[in-house]
Amino acid sequence: NAGVTQTPKFQVLKTGQSMTLQCAQDMNHEYMSWYRQDPGMGLRLIHYSVGAGITDQGEVPNGYNVSRSTTEDFPLRLLSAAPSQTSVYFCASRLTAGGTEAFFGQGTRLTVV
Amino acid sequence: GQQLNQSPQSMFIQEGEDVSMNCTSSSIFNTWLWYKQEPGEGPVLLIALYKAGELTSNGRLTAQFGITRKDSFLNISASIPSDVGIYFCAGQLGSGNTPLVFGKGTRLSVIA
Repeated sequence: NAGVTQTPKFQVLKTGQSMTLQCAQDMNHEYMSWYRQDPGMGLRLIHYSVGAGITDQGEVPNGYNVSRSTTEDFPLRLLSAAPSQTSVYFCASRLTAGGTEAFFGQGTRLTVV
Repeated sequence: GQQLNQSPQSMFIQEGEDVSMNCTSSSIFNTWLWYKQEPGEGPVLLIALYKAGELTSNGRLTAQFGITRKDSFLNISASIPSDVGIYFCAGQLGSGNTPLVFGKGTRLSVIA
């Protein structure tokens, strides 16, 4: 089982560049989410989706866009990267009804210079 | 947003010692979860708790859902070097679609 797959694993961007972080899961989970992890800050929710076609903002959504056209995929877009977006990004998925366990990808380490 | 206060922030312990860490909140949670993150990896679920007062074990790990529903504890007995990592608590205020709230983590170092 692949579980939750994130690509790329590492990325360096210049300020103002755009990119998309990919996330795919093969567990048929309805719920998917994106977190960023910064030193001493724990995991902070950026955006989440409860199913295809439905997305919502988390705690720190500014500067990020998401879409959910299929159950399997939940890409995170940075339209104009800023140094403050340097972080490790994690995608997670879980069942919605009756399920709270979250399965995490291995993360994408993003540096914006 | 909602906050979980996780303590301690970091711990240095000798191999073989027992470890305790906890999470508290001013809000009532319906679910408490404990995760471990190793370097370069995503968090991995260790224990899930769904009822106030529930005590659940996973090998040398034991976690409890506080009776007030505002706190949770994780204990690790007889620590070993592979216990090194960051441990996160997470809680869910509602159910179903409600997002998880994470603590800031406890970084555990084990000295052989």
